[in-house]
Amino acid sequence: GQSLEQPSEVTAVEGAIVQINCTYQTSGFYGLSWYQQHDGGAPTFLSYNALDGLEETGRFSSFLSRSDSYGYLLLQELQMKDSASYFCAVRDDKIIFGKGTRLHILP
Amino acid sequence: GAGVSQTPSNKVTEKGKYVELRCDPISGHTALYWYRQSLGQGPEFLIYFQGTGAADDSGLPNDRFFAVRPEGSVSTLKIQRTERGDSAVYLCASSPLAGGDGTDTQYFGPGTRLTVL
Repeated sequence: GQSLEQPSEVTAVEGAIVQINCTYQTSGFYGLSWYQQHDGGAPTFLSYNALDGLEETGRFSSFLSRSDSYGYLLLQELQMKDSASYFCAVRDDKIIFGKGTRLHILP
Repeated sequence: GAGVSQTPSNKVTEKGKYVELRCDPISGHTALYWYRQSLGQGPEFLIYFQGTGAADDSGLPNDRFFAVRPEGSVSTLKIQRTERGDSAVYLCASSPLAGGDGTDTQYFGPGTRLTVL
């Protein structure tokens, strides 16, 4: 079957760094995306990796290892507004989302 | 510019009724996706349109669900004989292009919260 695994919850302190991992098992793979979703809001695109390595966009970075079927989202200089759910998603022939990681940020 | 819009924002219906949910994608976006999201879960793929045609409808849970996009822009998700288990947030997303290279970013609408009593 096809599945994506990510931690259900992560807690970190404001100003710190946090890493959210995602492992996937899919029949096909074109790339790994990350989306952020605040409570009651729509998912918003954060990053995309099609090739191995690290992609950096401001305070957020995303990493992919295709050989390990693994990726992570790295959030630096955490701010309270980063409290949200984060979803990894794999594009096979369609998009498959993980169940999401709820990030709690402590002041 | 305008983002993806969905109407209604909330829909309450009774078990057994028929509902239609509408999605207006970003102008010019050829790809349109429907998802269903239950509390505490990630979006669950339902169907994907490339232009007017349904390129992949493998996520539709059963034949009570149907979606159309007759002119390649607005799409309507139709649910017949609704059941309580259909209660969820239905999300629509559009993308300027879609394909196997996976470079398309999806822009999500705010969703329609469907409650079946």
